[in-house]
Amino acid sequence: NAGVMQNPRHLVRRRGQEARLRCSPMKGHSHVYWYRQLPEEGLKFMVYLQKENIIDESGMPKERFSAEFPKEGPSILRIQQVVRGDSAAYFCASSQRGREYDEQYFGPGTRLTVT
Amino acid sequence: DQQVKQNSPSLSVQEGRISILNCDYTNSMFDYFLWYKKYPAEGPTFLISISSIKDKNEDGRFTVFLNKSAKHLSLHIVPSQPGDSAVYFCAASEDSSASKIIFGSGTRLSIRP
Repeated sequence: NAGVMQNPRHLVRRRGQEARLRCSPMKGHSHVYWYRQLPEEGLKFMVYLQKENIIDESGMPKERFSAEFPKEGPSILRIQQVVRGDSAAYFCASSQRGREYDEQYFGPGTRLTVT
Repeated sequence: DQQVKQNSPSLSVQEGRISILNCDYTNSMFDYFLWYKKYPAEGPTFLISISSIKDKNEDGRFTVFLNKSAKHLSLHIVPSQPGDSAVYFCAASEDSSASKIIFGSGTRLSIRP
C-alpha cells in the first residue's frame, strides 16, 4: 500500500525556467494539498484540490504558480519563471475525506533549488 | 502574521524523562489542533490531535493538553525515547475537517542518552 509519492525528490532550475512538481496521492484518496516549507520555517498551506477542482487556493502566490489535479494522473504544481525565492521544500498531502476529521498523509517532498 | 507560534526552536531531554513541547496561537477561530513529527528528508507524520471541546487527549506515550483561555497547547512525551528525536510541528485548523492546516515553525527535539 504505497504512500503519497512525489517526484522528483530534488529539482534544480535556473532563474526563469519552469518547475513541475508531481504528486500521486495514496490509493483511494481524492483530495490533495500542497504546502511549501522555507528554510527554518513551518509548512505554509498553498492549495487544496479535489479531482478536476480547486477547492481553496488562498495560499497560492497570485502570479507564476498554478496547480491542477486531473481526472487521471498525478496532481501537478507548476511554477513558471522561477526566482531564487522559490527555493524551498514543497510537500504534497492527500486525504480520503468523508469523515469528520480526515488525516492528511504527507509525501516526502520535492526540494527545489533555483540557481 | 504568525497564527501558530512555537517559541522554542530546540529542546534537549534526557532519555526516559518527560518532553514538553509548547505552542501558542492567536486565532480564536481555530477549532482543531494537531501535532506532527518530521524526520529529515521525510514528510511530516501525524501524531495526535485535539478538538477545541476537549482539554486533553492521550495516545500511548503522547498527551496533548489544550488551554483555550490561554490559547496554548502542549505535547507531552513520556518516557522520551531516542526515536523521538525529530522536529515537532504544532498545527491548527478552523474546522474539524482540517482541510487548511496552519503550521508553527517547529521545535527540534533531541533525546540524549
